[in-house]
Amino acid sequence: GENVEQHPSTLSVQEGDSAVIKCTYSDSASNYFPWYKQELGKRPQLIIDIRSNVGEKKDQRIAVTLNKTAKHFSLHITETQPEDSAVYFCAASHGSSNTGKLIFGQGTTLQVKP
Amino acid sequence: KAGVTQTPRYLIKTRGQQVTLSCSPISGHRSVSWYQQTPGQGLQFLFEYFSETQRNKGNFPGRFSGRQFSNSRSEMNVSTLELGDSALYLCASSLAGDGTQYFGPGTRLLVL
Repeated sequence: GENVEQHPSTLSVQEGDSAVIKCTYSDSASNYFPWYKQELGKRPQLIIDIRSNVGEKKDQRIAVTLNKTAKHFSLHITETQPEDSAVYFCAASHGSSNTGKLIFGQGTTLQVKP
Repeated sequence: KAGVTQTPRYLIKTRGQQVTLSCSPISGHRSVSWYQQTPGQGLQFLFEYFSETQRNKGNFPGRFSGRQFSNSRSEMNVSTLELGDSALYLCASSLAGDGTQYFGPGTRLLVL
């Protein structure tokens, strides 16, 4: 069935270092891959997304890469700051149809130590 | 534009009761998706409504249902509550379902 695997489950880095979170999806028809950041007690917030016709997308310190052949995508955060500490979720769309169904990974708790 | 809103924010119910949660999407958004978030299972898709029709459904029992009104506001209902239904229920809206989903603050449900 549909599944998104996310690794690692926890990640601790020093301020200024880079952080990488990886996800693998099972549905080869998925074509939309968003990343959400959720701070404690708050709603998930979209930080970046990518569609299957693009291999890489950057937004300041954040980048996402997509390998459709291998069915995996990754989030890269450079020059991490303490305010980057949160839970990060990757997601994949359900197939290529026009529906609002996202399959989420289990989440990665990122801790950035000052 | 105002963001996605959900009411109530917190709810305490007892087993066997039923509950109705409400979600108001961003103005102009026609798709509303519902998710259940728990520490053990993460974020799981419940269902999606578009133009008052359920367009997609997740793997939840029939006790979970929903509907959408002509103004795109959506409600979800859980009947015969079980302890395991305790969770944060999030709704998300998008223009047509295939793009960015914006989440509401969630309704935290505790079943005793």
